[in-house]
Parts: sequence; structure tokens; C-alpha cells
Amino acid sequence: LAKTTQPISMDSYEGQEVNITCSHNNIATNDYITWYQQFPSQGPRFIIQGYKTKVTNEVASLFIPADRKSSTLSLPRVSLSDTAVYYCLVGDMRGGGYQKVTFGTGTKLQVIP
Amino acid sequence: SAVISQKPSRDICQRGTSLTIQCQVDSQVTMMFWYRQQPGQSLTLIATANQGSEATYESGFVIDKFPISRPNLTFSTLTVSNMSPEDSSIYLCSVEDDRGNTEAFFGQGTRLTVV
Repeated sequence: LAKTTQPISMDSYEGQEVNITCSHNNIATNDYITWYQQFPSQGPRFIIQGYKTKVTNEVASLFIPADRKSSTLSLPRVSLSDTAVYYCLVGDMRGGGYQKVTFGTGTKLQVIP
Repeated sequence: SAVISQKPSRDICQRGTSLTIQCQVDSQVTMMFWYRQQPGQSLTLIATANQGSEATYESGFVIDKFPISRPNLTFSTLTVSNMSPEDSSIYLCSVEDDRGNTEAFFGQGTRLTVV
């Protein structure tokens, strides 16, 4: 199972772009990289998923270099409501994949006014 | 997307008693997962529940302590048995998207306090 390493916490001012990097040196060929967001007293919520290069949706961008040993979640112009814990997951998510994926420690993002 | 409802949302229980947590999904799903999240910690998978078969437990979790039912494709229960204060946690139900997407959906969790 690919182990992930990400910063424990980050602070950012409102309106700034936030980049959270996750290391996954032993990522396997079939593994995807997935990011979840968790607010207090709620379950995690899917943000974005990618396999290689760059993926963008209405919420975030995910940058994955060619060697796929790391990835960066980019949140444009954060607001106070983006204060949450962000988890990086690596694994083959298809057909029961979440049974084999471990949630890491996550990154606690605090957005400051 | 799948909408998951968990009941109860929170409870305070006496040690030695048991609590059954219900998880209802608004669509039929093959795989359901139960997680535990201790205060300030990440999520730990307890077990995977497929309809019509015994749940598969992760290392450190046993059926006698956390019996699981999965009577149909939209419902599951997790029981926390013979509770102690160490069982105080948030318990979360999760499902995978059966349409081939690789997204998991989570309930809002059940916050359990054992006194």
C-alpha cells in the first residue's frame, strides 16, 4: 500500500492560493491520487482525483509530475470556509479499492481573515 | 452521487452497554465501509460490508466487538458492544459509487461518548 506524507498543518490568508503537497514515493502503476476535504463534525468529501499531469475542476487543481511520486492540491483564492482537514489518498480505487486505501494524517488548513 | 444518512448523529452511553448505528443510502450500492475517527485523528477502516456475506474486518477489529449487519443493498448497521471510554469516537459509514466512478461518499458520522 502506498504511504502518503503531507504537512500536518498550514495557515493561509483569505484570497491567497494554497498549495498542499503530498509525497507518495512507492505509488503503484494502477494507483490514483485522490484528495478529500473534511469539515468538523462532517464526513470527508471528495475534492479531486487524478492519475498524471494536471486535473482541474470547479473547486481545485491537482498537479502530478511525471514520476507521480508526489502531487500538489491547489486551492485558488481560499476563503474562511475552506478551513478544513485535507487528506491525500493513493490507491487503486476501483471496485472495492477503498478497502485497500489508508487515510493518512491529513493537512489541517487554517484560513486567516 | 449517493446520499448517506446515519443515525444517531450523537449519543452518550454508559460503559458496558452497546450502541447500534444505522446507515441508510439513497441508492443501491455493493460495498459499504465503516470507519472510526478518534478525536483529532485520521480515519481508520473498521470493516467492509457486502450484502449477503460476512463483513471483512481490518486488523485490530473483531466481529464480537463490532458486529455488522448488511441486510440489503441500501442499509447497514454497526454495533459497538460492551463499550468502554476508549470507544469514544466518531463512527462513519461510507459507500463506493457503483457506477464505476472512484469516489467514496461518507455519512456525517455518529459521535459516540462513553462515560
